[in-house]
Amino acid sequence: ETGVTQTPRHLVMGMTNKKSLKCEQHLGHNAMYWYKQSAKKPLELMFVYNFKEQTENNSVPSRFSPECPNSSHLFLHLHTLQPEDSALYLCASSRSAVGDYNEQFFGPGTRLTVL
Amino acid sequence: AQKVTQAQTEISVVEKEDVTLDCVYETRDTTYYLFWYKQPPSGELVFLIRRNSFDEQNEISGRYSWNFQKSTSSFNFTITASQVVDSAVYFCALSANSGYALNFGKGTSLLVTP
Repeated sequence: ETGVTQTPRHLVMGMTNKKSLKCEQHLGHNAMYWYKQSAKKPLELMFVYNFKEQTENNSVPSRFSPECPNSSHLFLHLHTLQPEDSALYLCASSRSAVGDYNEQFFGPGTRLTVL
Repeated sequence: AQKVTQAQTEISVVEKEDVTLDCVYETRDTTYYLFWYKQPPSGELVFLIRRNSFDEQNEISGRYSWNFQKSTSSFNFTITASQVVDSAVYFCALSANSGYALNFGKGTSLLVTP
């Protein structure tokens, strides 16, 4: 595997379900990110992890819970979501969170539909 | 606060035409980075270029070129001799040294028809 991978690619869940999105980067990067992309809205940063430490939580509701067990893996745990949470969830990684080498490389995304 | 404006929502051109995608940014930081990403229908964001605020040299990569002008706070992207495979949504983004976020514009949807 190369680059940034995300699983599953598509997910349909009910509002009472619990599910997790997985992201893995094979680039040796130190920073990982979760973004949300909704129709007609700009990409929204959700969480940032730098060297496994969460450095930013962009006022995300608690029904989204991130986990970063190591620099290569990032999870987004979902529970009691709302239909408005339906979106494309993108994971990204970069060598550095700030400064030089901060260009982010994205995975293919998980298309989430909440019924 | 950082802001990126891509005023062109949709552009449609015929193959082999040149097309320029506009990007205007706002930031109070003196050190910042500008990016362009391409999002084809498959959904994955593809990194195209990064520019830091101290490097105003224009860049050319094949049919792609970028014009960075601090005086007008713009970082425009030109595709020369467009091809159908260039059809995608293109995002301009800004990252300031004071934070981690990539602040994205709303994107410009480019359609290249044969």
